[in-house]
Amino acid sequence: SQQGEEDPQALSIQEGENATMNCSYKTSINNLQWYRQNSGRGLVHLILIRSNEREKHSGRLRVTLDTSKKSSSLLITASRAADTASYFCATDSSNTGKLIFGQGTTLQVKP
Amino acid sequence: DAMVIQNPRYQVTQFGKPVTLSCSQTLNHNVMYWYQQKSSQAPKLLFHYYDKDFNNEADTPDNFQSRRPNTSFCFLDIRSPGLGDAAMYLCATSMDRGQETQYFGPGTRLLVL
Repeated sequence: SQQGEEDPQALSIQEGENATMNCSYKTSINNLQWYRQNSGRGLVHLILIRSNEREKHSGRLRVTLDTSKKSSSLLITASRAADTASYFCATDSSNTGKLIFGQGTTLQVKP
Repeated sequence: DAMVIQNPRYQVTQFGKPVTLSCSQTLNHNVMYWYQQKSSQAPKLLFHYYDKDFNNEADTPDNFQSRRPNTSFCFLDIRSPGLGDAAMYLCATSMDRGQETQYFGPGTRLLVL
């Protein structure tokens, strides 16, 4: 069964605005990761947040993790047209390296 | 510099005709993964190698097999492709299992006629 669910499924914003994507999961995790995928391409790792962490930053990205609610959010600030892509959360529950991906949020940033 | 390389980028095969997809890595990572991603869906893990140790997911069809002849290379063999096997196949690597970033290749898009 799928672990992660993402919300919204699609998001369209203007350049310069902030984009927030949410991920919920069902079982306890060791870490949660966010990946980006441009159309027809492979996935690019953005951020890994461990179960004992609550917030991480990387450039214009901010990820939060609330293990009590089994949810995470990805915030992209000051979005650019080049941020247009699909964003996936993925959970690692077993320390085996097996990632279970959410369905993804498709982000469109209009110039 | 490319770190995880997949060949070919696009593969067309006929229904039932065996096909092999290739993945190589320059990262010297211990773990290599194969994912299947159908259109507008999440990537789904098929199997992974931890060094030479093969780990198959319970719901991976028998039609899918893998080989890892050395650290750098891993192959995905589809013995008798069906129309439902048309998808993007993604190879990924990580240094170790658990708490690790996975590095993905660009993927091979498979079309079954």
